[in-house]
Amino acid sequence: QSALTQPPSASGSPGQSVTISCTGTSSDIGRYNYVSWYQQHPGKAPKLMIFEVIKRLSGVPDRFSGSKSGNTASLTVSGLQAEDEADYYCSSYAGSNNIVVFGGGTKLTVL
Amino acid sequence: EVQLVESGGGLVKPGGFLRLSCAASGFTFSNAWMTWVRQAPGKGLEWVGRVKSKSNGGTTDYAAPVKGRFSISRDDSKNTLYLQMNSLKTEDTAIYYCITGFYDRSGSYHGDDAFDIWGQGTVVTVSS
Repeated sequence: QSALTQPPSASGSPGQSVTISCTGTSSDIGRYNYVSWYQQHPGKAPKLMIFEVIKRLSGVPDRFSGSKSGNTASLTVSGLQAEDEADYYCSSYAGSNNIVVFGGGTKLTVL
Repeated sequence: EVQLVESGGGLVKPGGFLRLSCAASGFTFSNAWMTWVRQAPGKGLEWVGRVKSKSNGGTTDYAAPVKGRFSISRDDSKNTLYLQMNSLKTEDTAIYYCITGFYDRSGSYHGDDAFDIWGQGTVVTVSS
């Protein structure tokens, strides 16, 4: 069982928006503004998209945005495109004991 | 080109050992905090452990499931990271990725919270 909880699946039609949630605790997401999101296409290594909750890595389309409220972080993908179909993982810094915790991943399907 | 290339994976019996290597190029390896994560078949990502740069003390930290069995080391003269895995269990079966952080536009270093450089991974299978 992963430390952070994500829905196993999400979907949307091209052009629509979809939001993926990531729920942690007051020891990780709730305590630190160090939430990251990764995109993973089948057979490939994950790719960093968002860091520090809201910051996009250089080159990441602005269709991807992050947010956080309390112990829950969210990734919103606007204007869905076919190439956005992938697995998405959240992570959070969790302090000196656990360091980094990941979510179980959400499979995003573009209908 | 910034690159991480893992090697050393394979099939090993429960109780056995394996040493993974990760060759780095295209960045100043000696300054980088290096991390291992793994992904079991069809599962999510799991943080395994990290070694800081020597200038930051070379501190290592490990996830609870591997503490006491796995050991991370680095050879800055060879730009290589290692993961020594002992007393392997079937639940250690996974793709093992070598990853590292980065400096963002404001100059802040992300060594423990965000990882923008990933290797292609090496497969470790623990089975009798």
